[in-house]
Amino acid sequence: EDQVTQSPEALRLQEGESSSLNCSYTVSGLRGLFWYRQDPGKGPEFLFTLYSAGEEKEKERLKATLTKKESFLHITAPKPEDSATYLCAVQGIGGSNYKLTFGKGTLLTVNP
Amino acid sequence: GAVVSQHPSWVICKSGTSVKIECRSLDFQATTMFWYRQFPKQSLMLMATSNEGSKATYEQGVEKDKFLINHASLTLSTLTVTSAHPEDSSFYICSAQLSLSGLAGDEQYFGPGTRLTVT
Repeated sequence: EDQVTQSPEALRLQEGESSSLNCSYTVSGLRGLFWYRQDPGKGPEFLFTLYSAGEEKEKERLKATLTKKESFLHITAPKPEDSATYLCAVQGIGGSNYKLTFGKGTLLTVNP
Repeated sequence: GAVVSQHPSWVICKSGTSVKIECRSLDFQATTMFWYRQFPKQSLMLMATSNEGSKATYEQGVEKDKFLINHASLTLSTLTVTSAHPEDSSFYICSAQLSLSGLAGDEQYFGPGTRLTVT
């Protein structure tokens, strides 16, 4: 069974204070690892897909990296509007096609 | 692009009644749509996978007779919660697979969610 563990559960940063969120996963074979952002009372917003170890993707202040066991979401010089819950999900080869297994998320709060 | 809508955004119903939630992909065709539920401070739990023109595939522990899913077209899937009870109160979110290649690994785009409260 695919498993995703995200840490920390919650993270408070000052504006401009860079940090990283961790997503550890176990899958029988990885099709893709996905990062989403979720604001309170809203559906998740797609950020990145990573397919293979060593891959990196960037979008504004966010950069996602992938190894064979974990993924990091690096946040550089965050702003208050980056405050949200960040969700990591994996899609494995085993089991149902297309199924995403989500972690519990990291609640990021960026103070001005 | 890749916008998914849900209707209604929130609904309050009485115990024993049924509620229908619509999920639409607005600017693309989605052969596969998904239904999730999310409890407060918890992650998304997949309920079922919906394929256009065929029966939905339900996850273990999800009652298919209670949560009826219909995927009538490439842009519309509906979830009907039948004989709702207070324990069905939750945040229901749909997603649609943007599958340009037809391969797994294409990202899912999520709707804004529907807050269901059963009194």
